[in-house]
Amino acid sequence: GAGVSQSPSNKVTEKGKDVELRCDPISGHTALYWYRQRLGQGLEFLIYFQGNSAPDKSGLPSDRFSAERTGESVSTLTIQRTQQEDSAVYLCASSPGRANEQFFGPGTRLTVL
Amino acid sequence: RKEVEQDPGPFNVPEGATVAFNCTYSNSASQSFFWYRQDCRKEPKLLMSVYSSGNEDGRFTAQLNRASQYISLLIRDSKLSDSATYLCVVKGGGRGGADGLTFGKGTHLIIQP
Repeated sequence: GAGVSQSPSNKVTEKGKDVELRCDPISGHTALYWYRQRLGQGLEFLIYFQGNSAPDKSGLPSDRFSAERTGESVSTLTIQRTQQEDSAVYLCASSPGRANEQFFGPGTRLTVL
Repeated sequence: RKEVEQDPGPFNVPEGATVAFNCTYSNSASQSFFWYRQDCRKEPKLLMSVYSSGNEDGRFTAQLNRASQYISLLIRDSKLSDSATYLCVVKGGGRGGADGLTFGKGTHLIIQP
């Protein structure tokens, strides 16, 4: 079956612009996560959605970052007024709730000039 | 103390050798443990879960010591295709709800012919 997909695969933007990243989780997966991975660094948790519960936003680095998810489907991560330090790969993962494994999408490579 | 700590390496190992990685975690409330593998410029993928009794999957052996909060991964008869970054991952007790994963920064392994 189809895995987690993300778009765009690459995004180059100018400092100060807003960007929107999209994640399509595996159908039926209730849990969805966003992570950020800077070059040569580990994965940094950003936000977690589980069904209709309030999302866990504790990892969002600033109020420029926000994310939405409609039901148990698509999620969008929005970064406003991008800064150069926002340059990273943004990874989305989904999970069928309390299962152990998270399935990752291929990521969106964001470059802020 | 970092939540999940790993030696970043790189570990340069000749093909056919045995190599071991270690990882320590800080949160004693952590519930489940995993090793993920991440190839260069790719998304992480689950390699194996880690159980208290120790578990094997082919050439790979994982062990957990809850008292010392220590996880290990042993790779026997290493192959060129084992070259990757190995991420120690801990579930629960951190961000992202009960399913939240905390990733170490990874250990970089290079298998040399």
